[in-house]
Amino acid sequence: GAGVSQSPRYKVAKRGQDVALRCDPISGHVSLFWYQQALGQGPEFLTYFQNEAQLDKSGLPSDRFFAERPEGSVSTLKIQRTQQEDSAVYLCASSSRDLDGAQYFGPGTRLTVT
Amino acid sequence: AQSVTQLDSQVPVFEEAPVELRCNYSSSVSVYLFWYVQYPNQGLQLLLKYLSGSTLVKGINGFEAEFNKSQTSFHLRKPSVHISDTAEYFCAVSGVGGNKLVFGAGTILRVKS
Repeated sequence: GAGVSQSPRYKVAKRGQDVALRCDPISGHVSLFWYQQALGQGPEFLTYFQNEAQLDKSGLPSDRFFAERPEGSVSTLKIQRTQQEDSAVYLCASSSRDLDGAQYFGPGTRLTVT
Repeated sequence: AQSVTQLDSQVPVFEEAPVELRCNYSSSVSVYLFWYVQYPNQGLQLLLKYLSGSTLVKGINGFEAEFNKSQTSFHLRKPSVHISDTAEYFCAVSGVGGNKLVFGAGTILRVKS
């Protein structure tokens, strides 16, 4: 498929565990975004990469959240010492170089912290 | 900074009736505007976008939206809805040039037979 893929689709973690969420963007898309969507809410911006450079991480809620995209393609969002308030759907989106602003989303990873 | 207000959290409508989902935005800079649809347990699918030019934008699945700069609105319309249009719809804004999206809280469209 040519769309954005994310894995795992569902993740259950015990409070205090570390988790890693993976995003494979559309091939050739230089920009990659992470969003957090709490239940019943709209997505909220977390961080943004252009190629391997993390240009904006203003939305990361705490220093427990870390994202990387070392080769400018696949990205990983890591959450350390998970807490119950981290429970949400984490959405990844990518967009192309032509700056038309359209972002294409993956199916998301639903994280439940127990 | 930008913000988006979706005025209705839920909109019930009968099949084949017209529908309008309202969206207002606030921004100190020029913006791009988007509507996305989200079906249960799925990601967001782009319906349409406004970048510049004609204020009436046509999208997929028969939806259209009109950009009104003076009223800072970008309402989504469809002349005749189907059961399959039942989903949650999100209005979003970004600065010109394409960067992070700011979303509204969403409107759940429920189409009844």
